[in-house]
Order: sequence, then structure tokens, then C-alpha cells
Amino acid sequence: DAGVIQSPRHEVTEMGQEVTLRCKPISGHDYLFWYRQTMMRGLELLIYFNNNVPIDDSGMPEDRFSAKMPNASFSTLKIQPSEPRDSAVYFCASSRVADTQYFGPGTRLTVL
Amino acid sequence: GQQLNQSPQSMFIQEGEDVSMNCTSSSIFNTWLWYKQEPGEGPVLLIALYKAGELTSNGRLTAQFGITRKDSFLNISASIPSDVGIYFCAGLEDDPDSGGSNYKLTFGKGTLLTVNP
Repeated sequence: DAGVIQSPRHEVTEMGQEVTLRCKPISGHDYLFWYRQTMMRGLELLIYFNNNVPIDDSGMPEDRFSAKMPNASFSTLKIQPSEPRDSAVYFCASSRVADTQYFGPGTRLTVL
Repeated sequence: GQQLNQSPQSMFIQEGEDVSMNCTSSSIFNTWLWYKQEPGEGPVLLIALYKAGELTSNGRLTAQFGITRKDSFLNISASIPSDVGIYFCAGLEDDPDSGGSNYKLTFGKGTLLTVNP
């Protein structure tokens, strides 16, 4: 079975530009999670969805961040406008009703 | 919010040695998970623990869910070079207000393991 798929794997952009990260969860998983990983703060949950509905977005840093899940097989995390402090690795993870989350390979974002 | 204290931060060991790392929390968790992350990859689930006192093995890995539900440890026996990576603990606390469907994992800061051949 294919795991969680994320694209792009690497993204380099300039401050002020819009960035869109994409995720395809494992088929049949009802939960989808977006995380951010930095050296300073470790892994942080940004937002998660259940059956395509956002359940908790309290981890989203600010209004520049938004996430959508238009269907069960696709989600996006958008940053507009991007800032250098947004540089991090962004992970998508999915799970069934159980609590074991499976992570994608991540998108390494660099904002210059 | 919840915080997990994971120790040690890093370990440098010789191939063949056993490794032990642990996580403690100020709050109770209902589930403990252990993940391994290799460079350029996402965390991979190693072991999941669901009951206080539970001891679970996965090959050379053994993890235990502490009786107080505030801690967990992971042991790796007879380490090999491919064990190199960052090991994360993660805890899950059901939110009573959500009827037990809250899946917000709290992660430790990780233990960086280096194995010298």
C-alpha cells in the first residue's frame, strides 16, 4: 500500500510569496494531520481533520496559514504571505479511527 | 499545554550495546507511541502502547507504558549501525469534552542515537 504522499519534497521561495503544500493521505484513513518540525520547537501539530472537517486548528501560527481538505484523498496547507521564520519541514500524517499516525516524507520549506 | 520530557537528548554508543531512553510527563496519557526518524524522512511508528504497565516488543525494541501513565521507556538491545536516527516519544490524551475522539499527539524533543561500528 502507498503511504502518505507529500509534494513538493523541497520548496525554496522568497519572502512574501504564496506557498502551497500538498498531501494525499493513506486510503481509508479518516484523520489527517499537519505538523511543522524545527530544531527549536520540535514537532508541532498545526491542524487536523476528521472526515475532511477541520477539528482543531489551534496550532496554526497565524492567519497567514490556512489548510483545506476538499475530499478524503487530498489536503493543502497554504502560507500567504510567507516569511523566513516559516522555514521548517512540514509533515502530513494520517490515521484510521485509532490513534496511530503514519507520517509522510515531509516538505522542506525554505523562505529567503 | 502538555509537555513531554525526553531523555537523554543524545547518545553515542558502540555497536552491540543496549540503549535505553525515556519520556516523562506532568499529565496522564492514555496512549504512548514511539517513533524513529531518519534524515530526510518522516517519523516512522515503532511501537504503540495502550495500557498502563503494558510491555511490548518489536524485534530488538521493547517499550513499556509506565504504571502511573505519566512515563514510558524504550529499550534497544544489541544495537546495530542502522539504528541510527532520532527517536521520539509521543503521548495521546483523550479530551473528555470531545468524547474520546481527540487525537492531538504531544511529542518529546527526541533522542539522537549514534551507533559507532
